[in-house]
Amino acid sequence: NAGVTQTPKFQVLKTGQSMTLQCAQDMNHNSMYWYRQDPGMGLRLIYYSASEGTTDKGEVPNGYNVSRLNKREFSLRLESAAPSQTSVYFCASSDLYGYTFGSGTRLTVV
Amino acid sequence: AQSVTQLDSHVSVSEGTPVLLRCNYSSSYSPSLFWYVQHPNKGLQLLLKYTSAATLVKGINGFEAEFKKSETSFHLTKPSAHMSDAAEYFCVVSYTNAGKSTFGDGTTLTVKP
Repeated sequence: NAGVTQTPKFQVLKTGQSMTLQCAQDMNHNSMYWYRQDPGMGLRLIYYSASEGTTDKGEVPNGYNVSRLNKREFSLRLESAAPSQTSVYFCASSDLYGYTFGSGTRLTVV
Repeated sequence: AQSVTQLDSHVSVSEGTPVLLRCNYSSSYSPSLFWYVQHPNKGLQLLLKYTSAATLVKGINGFEAEFKKSETSFHLTKPSAHMSDAAEYFCVVSYTNAGKSTFGDGTTLTVKP
């Protein structure tokens, strides 16, 4: 089925560890996004990529880096994880008709 | 600048009764407006969208929303709630097609038997 695939679905990290969240879409969308979702705070945009080769900061970029590897793939990296980064992370892609979201990555930093 | 306010953080209805989830927006331009639904431990799914065509928009699962420019509102309704409608609902505004949109904080819908 066409859509957005995120890996991993669950991850536990120790403070200071690094990891990369992977995202791939087969919708042929130009725009891709990374959001985090925390209780009572809705979705907050971390980074987005309007097209292959471009990335821009969103509302809460600190502590994260991204790579738009090609049109399909948009990865999110945590260089040195902190407990404040415990959250559910969603990748999404979009066109004129709206967003398509991945199923999320539940990250816990201890 | 654009913003969106979901007026209720929680709404509780009985099964078979109408649902009303309220959303007001602010946008300097003609907006595109969306409603998304998120079931527990799932990603967000598009319910419906408005992009300056008909002001009454029909979506999936019997949901509708009406764009009212004079009231800057885009409320989501359903005539008869079903248990499976229990979820969190997000109103989204965008004026650059779907790029870099603004999400509301969400409304949790509870459906009582």
